[in-house]
Amino acid sequence: NAGVTQTPKFQVLKTGQSMTLQCAQDMNHNSMYWYRQDPGMGLRLIYYSASEGTTDKGEVPNGYNVSRLNKREFSLRLESAAPSQTSVYFCASSEDRGTSTDTQYFGPGTRLTVL
Amino acid sequence: AQKVTQAQTEISVVEKEDVTLDCVYETRDTTYYLFWYKQPPSGELVFLIRRNSFDEQNEISGRYSWNFQKSTSSFNFTITASQVVDSAVYFCALSNYQLIWGAGTKLIIKP
Repeated sequence: NAGVTQTPKFQVLKTGQSMTLQCAQDMNHNSMYWYRQDPGMGLRLIYYSASEGTTDKGEVPNGYNVSRLNKREFSLRLESAAPSQTSVYFCASSEDRGTSTDTQYFGPGTRLTVL
Repeated sequence: AQKVTQAQTEISVVEKEDVTLDCVYETRDTTYYLFWYKQPPSGELVFLIRRNSFDEQNEISGRYSWNFQKSTSSFNFTITASQVVDSAVYFCALSNYQLIWGAGTKLIIKP
């Protein structure tokens, strides 16, 4: 039972490059989330998915796209990376359907640097 | 608007001291949930506690305890007899449809 897994753990991109961050959960959770964490700040929600086939914007969606591939997997795509997207990205999942009322369980994070 | 304030940016104590981390929240909702998470130097986010707005009982789990007071909109976290392994950043969060995070308190426990 791995919980929430993320790949890759580290990534360095050049400005303008694209990449996809992968996330998978094996807890049969309905909701999945993507957050970013910048130094000295709490987490900020980028996108979330309340159920398979649905996605919604969070607080900071600009520059990102997401896909809820199935109930287990939720990917985050940067189409044209910018230095402002240098951050640590966390994926999370919870049992509720997009209400954030249940406990969210987090993956180990992806440290992304955009040069 | 919903907001979570963790006014203590960094706290440093000597091992075995007790330490309290403050969390003050703002919400107009009557039903909401509060959470604490720990982020050790390794970077992962570890869930500590979830509390709903109708349950004001204090909670104790080993050396950890939480004091929820709706009258002051606070949900403070106390570590008794702190240990070096408690060194981490601790986040308080408020939930009602989205999880609103405080900025975190960095706790340093010196041996």
